[in-house]
Formats: sequence, C-alpha cells, structure tokens
Amino acid sequence: ETGVTQSPTHLIKTRGQQVTLRCSSQSGHNTVSWYQQALGQGPQFIFQYYREEENGRGNFPPRFSGLQFPNYSSELNVNALELDDSALYLCASSLDPQGQETQYFGPGTRLLVL
Amino acid sequence: KNQVEQSPQSLIILEGKNCTLQCNYTVSPFSNLRWYKQDTGRGPVSLTIMTFSENTKSNGRYTATLDADTKQSSLHITASQLSDSASYICVVKQSNYQLIWGAGTKLIIKP
Repeated sequence: ETGVTQSPTHLIKTRGQQVTLRCSSQSGHNTVSWYQQALGQGPQFIFQYYREEENGRGNFPPRFSGLQFPNYSSELNVNALELDDSALYLCASSLDPQGQETQYFGPGTRLLVL
Repeated sequence: KNQVEQSPQSLIILEGKNCTLQCNYTVSPFSNLRWYKQDTGRGPVSLTIMTFSENTKSNGRYTATLDADTKQSSLHITASQLSDSASYICVVKQSNYQLIWGAGTKLIIKP
C-alpha cells in the first residue's frame, strides 16, 4: 500500500454531467499529479498541483480542473462529461514537484460515462 | 514528437523463466527514466528511476538498463513468478513536471 487513497473507487455518470474525484496524498507529500488512463493504454498526464497551485498541465481541455487543499489533498473536477472521459483516473503524490523523486499512486477511480 | 514506445505489446512466459522488456524514447530534453509495474485495476508502482548518468539499476529480480546515446532502456526480470503478471510501463521525464508514458507491455506468467 502506498498511503495514497482515492474516492470513489467506481462511478457511473451520464453524458453532460459533472464529476468530482478525490485524492488524499501520502503523509508529507506536497505534490499531487492527476492522470487519465484509458483501457489498454498508458496514463496521460492531466495536471500537477504543488502547494495548492497548479504548476503544470497536459493536453486536456479547461473542463478538466482541479484543486489542492492546505492538507495537500486534491480534487479533480470534470464538467460536461463526454463518453471518451470513461477511464481510470489516477492520482499520484510525491515530495518533489520537479519529478526527481518517486511518485506514489493511488488505486484509481474508474469512471464510466454513459 | 516526444514519444515513448515499448515492445513487445504483450508477452507470455513460463514461471521461472527470464524475460526482457524494451523501451525506446524520443523525449528531449531527458531528465530521468522510470519503470513502473501496474497490476490490473490498480495504480502503478515504481520499480526503478534512472538518470542520464546511470546505466543500470536493480530492484530485487528487476534490473533496468539505460543507454542514453541510443535512447533505449530495458527491464530484465529474472526467475519470473506468477505475481509478476502485470503491465510494465516505461516513463520518461521531460521537464519539471511532464512525464511521457509508454503504453506498457502486458506480461503474463504461466505456471
């Protein structure tokens, strides 16, 4: 176990709805990254938060947004859900926003959009 | 274009045998290369991280190599066990926050 937790574990939504996914980082970790992993593919970087500020973003539209709280836990919000948003959403925490340290991943939230 | 390509896409071997997974990348500028193990439906777990100056790094039965000149890496698994069945993902760090992920190699160990 990595100490990174995510909720919920599974979620079913319909197209057009909004969803919020949550992540609690490993104790002491100030950096959280979010990834989208489609079935059979590698994770795609969505964005990273460091000390409550977004400090990096992948190629995802603005309807993907996030927050990081003072305790370094984080949320991923997706508006106007599309069918292609169905995926495993992973969060990873680390000590170092520069990426030199190991990232510890949570178990993921599996989202199905109908 | 920054890419990480892995081969083979999938591999089936018998328990106890060795295997080698390949990773070729075109990511620049390069900072480090990581190998992750991902069990089905779970988050990835880090196996190794190698910087430009490191040629090899071991973690138990896992040994990763890196050739920064040819931009190739390999992950060698010795004396495979049933629990090694998983996807193995090669990841290259490009910048301060951007990690370029490969699609992974799905490894199946048969008794």
